[in-house]
Amino acid sequence: GENVEQHPSTLSVQEGDSAVIKCTYSDSASNYFPWYKQELGKGPQLIIDIRSNVGEKKDQRIAVTLNKTAKHFSLHITETQPEDSAVYFCAGFYSGGGADGLTFGKGTHLIIQP
Amino acid sequence: ETGVTQTPRHLVMGMTNKKSLKCEQHLGHNAMYWYKQSAKKPLELMFVYNFKEQTENNSVPSRFSPECPNSSHLFLHLHTLQPEDSALYLCASSQGDLPYEQYFGPGTRLTVT
Repeated sequence: GENVEQHPSTLSVQEGDSAVIKCTYSDSASNYFPWYKQELGKGPQLIIDIRSNVGEKKDQRIAVTLNKTAKHFSLHITETQPEDSAVYFCAGFYSGGGADGLTFGKGTHLIIQP
Repeated sequence: ETGVTQTPRHLVMGMTNKKSLKCEQHLGHNAMYWYKQSAKKPLELMFVYNFKEQTENNSVPSRFSPECPNSSHLFLHLHTLQPEDSALYLCASSQGDLPYEQYFGPGTRLTVT
């Protein structure tokens, strides 16, 4: 099966600065990597994703990069704002051996300091 | 707000009780999922239903029993739970032929006393 490691567990940045969260995965067969944002009292919200045939994807202030050789992918948030404060989860999609589904990292608590 | 709703939002139950969690999706998806989210642990996939057929049971104890009567509704029946089962239970849905993009509900916060 898949194993996803996520770092750091907590990240504090000044408002306006950039934030980077990194994940590594173990199964080279994984082919889809979403990022979720979870605010207090809510379920995870899909914010961006990337498939294994693409190296980078951007959506306004957020971007995700994927290095298939090294088996790691990262979330980049530029010009951070107070509303970016939340817990962010990376995940890898594993298909095979009768087990289809997302394997999640442990999450990063992002704190935007005013 | 996502198109996935869950009820109740909060539930406190004793170890001898029987209760059910409900999930409904309004997105026209064909696959539905139950996840468990505990403090300090990654989200854990529990069950997967694709076109109402259970395709995944991720070694979940039998005190958790899922039911999917149609592609829009998913239940999780609970009985004789343990205190360590206290967690946030999240439902998600996706297109049947695209299992990748999963959309989550707000969750049910379960406390077992």
